[in-house]
Amino acid sequence: QSVLTQPPSVSGAPGQRVTISCTGSSSNIETTYDVNWYQQLPGTAPKLLIYGNTNRPSGVPDRISGSKSGTSASLGITGLQAEDEAAYYCQSYDSTLRSWVFGGGTKLTVL
Amino acid sequence: QVQLVESGGGVVEPGRSLRLSCAASGFSFRSYGMDWVRQAPGKGLEWVAIIWYDGSNQFYADSVKGRFTISRDNSKNTLFLQMNSLRVEDTAVYYCARVVKYQLPLNFYMDVWGKGTTVTVSS
Repeated sequence: QSVLTQPPSVSGAPGQRVTISCTGSSSNIETTYDVNWYQQLPGTAPKLLIYGNTNRPSGVPDRISGSKSGTSASLGITGLQAEDEAAYYCQSYDSTLRSWVFGGGTKLTVL
Repeated sequence: QVQLVESGGGVVEPGRSLRLSCAASGFSFRSYGMDWVRQAPGKGLEWVAIIWYDGSNQFYADSVKGRFTISRDNSKNTLFLQMNSLRVEDTAVYYCARVVKYQLPLNFYMDVWGKGTTVTVSS
């Protein structure tokens, strides 16, 4: 069980918007620790999607967005495309565990 | 181009040791922290260990503390993970990743990942 909780799965039709939540606590997300998001396409290594809660690395389209409020963070994807079908992971630091932590992952299915 | 290539994975019996390597190219290796992240079959990502850019600090997940050692050779642009007393539950794909510090201490993200090397612990 991760200290960062994500829904196991979400789905949406092409063109729609989906959000993936990442719920933490006062020892991680609620403090000054940033949330980062990674995409893992089937059979490949993870890829950085969002860093510092809201920032996109170069090459990541602006239909991908991140936000953080209180003990939660969210990843938003608009204009869903078939190639968005992947697993998505949030990541932060936990001061109680003194460890970097990942959420359990969310599988996005494009219907 | 910026690249990380892991090697050293394989099949090993419980209790034995294995040493993973990660060869870096295309960037100033000595300027970046590095870490290892693993993924058990069909499971999510698990952070394993991190080492500072100069090797001055190392931190480990509780699940591997005392058994795994992360190190680096900046003269050879190579990261290592020495894994001792291996357990069945250490079976996973092991990824090395480049770590970037963002604004505040301990706020790290992983911006470059290798393709991974597979470790199977089985009798």
